Amino acid sequence: SQQGEEDPQALSIQEGENATMNCSYKTSINNLQWYRQNSGRGLVHLILIRSNEREKHSGRLRVTLDTSKKSSSLLITASRAADTASYFCATAFNAGGTSYGKLTFGQGTILTVHP
Amino acid sequence: NAGVTQTPKFRVLKTGQSMTLLCAQDMNHEYMYWYRQDPGMGLRLIHYSVGEGTTAKGEVPDGYNVSRLKKQNFLLGLESAAPSQTSVYFCASSYGRVYERQYFGPGTRLTVT
Repeated sequence: SQQGEEDPQALSIQEGENATMNCSYKTSINNLQWYRQNSGRGLVHLILIRSNEREKHSGRLRVTLDTSKKSSSLLITASRAADTASYFCATAFNAGGTSYGKLTFGQGTILTVHP
Repeated sequence: NAGVTQTPKFRVLKTGQSMTLLCAQDMNHEYMYWYRQDPGMGLRLIHYSVGEGTTAKGEVPDGYNVSRLKKQNFLLGLESAAPSQTSVYFCASSYGRVYERQYFGPGTRLTVT
């Protein structure tokens, strides 16, 4: 399966600390995406990093991608209580030709930020 | 813009009953998707559509049917609900390819007793 696997499954930190979540996958990808899901809500897209990119920033978010190790990490700096949510990586694969491609979600990391 | 909306937000069905979940998007997106989310399973793709009048099977299509008669709407039907279909259902849409950024609705929590 190409499904990304997040690590750790749960992470508990204090406000102001940094949070790092990792995602590993098994096959070549077109891009890798990170989404956030607040309790009882839909997923919100955070960032997309393409296979030819190594690092990307968006505000307090930093995403790295190592295609040789088939892994990615999401770093949230100076975390806030409002960052408490589940974070999912999604691996995107496009076989080309008549294939429409696939976006496969991992099981997520539950992040709790204590005030 | 409302983005992606889903109707209803909650529903309780008895085994064997049928229902239709409605998804609507106002972003003129070509691609639309239905997922289910179960504890410890992440999101799994049920069906998707790459344009008006087209549908395709995803990872877990059994027991579900879909229709995309209008570009902005994507319907998910359960003909004979089973307890195994108790889940939270999410609709999503994307402008570009299936593997590009997706925009999600707020979800429908379905319980089948």
